[in-house]
Amino acid sequence: KAGVTQTPRYLIKTRGQQVTLSCSPISGHRSVSWYQQTPGQGLQFLFEYFSETQRNKGNFPGRFSGRQFSNSRSEMNVSTLELGDSALYLCASSAGLGPDTQYFGPGTRLTVL
Amino acid sequence: GENVEQHPSTLSVQEGDSAVIKCTYSDSASNYFPWYKQELGKGPQLIIDIRSNVGEKKDQRIAVTLNKTAKHFSLHITETQPEDSAVYFCAALSGGYQKVTFGTGTKLQVIP
Repeated sequence: KAGVTQTPRYLIKTRGQQVTLSCSPISGHRSVSWYQQTPGQGLQFLFEYFSETQRNKGNFPGRFSGRQFSNSRSEMNVSTLELGDSALYLCASSAGLGPDTQYFGPGTRLTVL
Repeated sequence: GENVEQHPSTLSVQEGDSAVIKCTYSDSASNYFPWYKQELGKGPQLIIDIRSNVGEKKDQRIAVTLNKTAKHFSLHITETQPEDSAVYFCAALSGGYQKVTFGTGTKLQVIP
């Protein structure tokens, strides 16, 4: 089975811009979660989608949003970028039917200048 | 919400020695505890996990123990090798949703 894929792998943006990141889960997985990883804050949960519905949300401002499509692919969007949004954004997929193993993608490295 | 504490933050061991990383959690409803290994430039990779109805699980050189009463769980790596060098994260998950709370990570260095 192919693993979780994320595109793009690297992004450079400037403050005030917006960005869209994409995640394709493992085939058959219906849950996609997004995390932000920074040296200072570690791995922080952004949100989780299951069957196109957001099931859970972390403590991030409304500038961070996401969606999931009928094929389980997911996108996250960050609007009005700030310097502090520079991070590795990780996507993880799982079957999503209960406490379940999550498989991570390689991440998208976002740099905001 | 759930809070997961992880210790130590850094750990150096000689090749062949054992390494132990400990985590505590706060939510007694947490029932699934995965451990991840993250190498430079890569996403976290699951190495072992344990559910709350099990006290210990082993997979070759890696083992995890869980003490539900004390709310702590530990990762044990025996016969460490240089390729074990990485950052290790513990995590806790409760309920039917996939909101995982991660520990702050342990940077393990295995010295040849």
